[in-house]
Amino acid sequence: DIQMTQSPSSLSASVGDRVTIACRASQSISNYLNWYQQKPGKAPKLLIYAASTLQSGVPSRFSGSGSGTEFTLTISSLQPEDFAVYYCQQTYSVLWTFGQGSKVEIK
Amino acid sequence: EVHLVESGGGLVKPGGSLRLSCAASGFTLSNYTMSWVRQAPGKGLEWVSSISISSSYVYYADSLKGRFTVSRDNAKNSLYLQMNSLRAEDTAIYYCARLFHYGGYDYSDYWGQGTLVTVSS
Repeated sequence: DIQMTQSPSSLSASVGDRVTIACRASQSISNYLNWYQQKPGKAPKLLIYAASTLQSGVPSRFSGSGSGTEFTLTISSLQPEDFAVYYCQQTYSVLWTFGQGSKVEIK
Repeated sequence: EVHLVESGGGLVKPGGSLRLSCAASGFTLSNYTMSWVRQAPGKGLEWVSSISISSSYVYYADSLKGRFTVSRDNAKNSLYLQMNSLRAEDTAIYYCARLFHYGGYDYSDYWGQGTLVTVSS
């Protein structure tokens, strides 16, 4: 299976901060990489697909980049509603895998 | 509006079985690949299984070791997950999700609210 490793596992940030979360794949996955946001007690929500394409309705402060094995999710100016857990997911293999999650907390 | 509603979760003893259902509305189920994803309490997301439109292709996470079976009934707009030989580590919220395929890329654009499965004696 392709392993996905996110860093950091958690971070503390303030409203208005620029936040970057990294996701590394154990082998090249081209750009078959999705990002999801999950808030407590809620289902995950798709933010970005194909590594850098913003899902319809997602604020433009979210962006994604990368290809091969290294990817990043960036929130340009953190808003109160952005405090959540973020997951990357690879769909290069038919056996999908998620990263372990990165929790963004209020400083 | 797209809705996915899971049901069938509950408390089951180790070694027992459970069948989850996912009722789809607001879209034509027969046009979409579907998947199951689970989340153990306080843990991350784990992909469980995917099933293609006509059930021709089904995939499972290696960790399940053949204990789970996914199926669908497009006429009933429903997705199912039959879970056998359940273990404590199968305790989780189980989500069904619609897979959108666009330009060669796959992503889950709609998710249900999840159903909790607890495996305990």
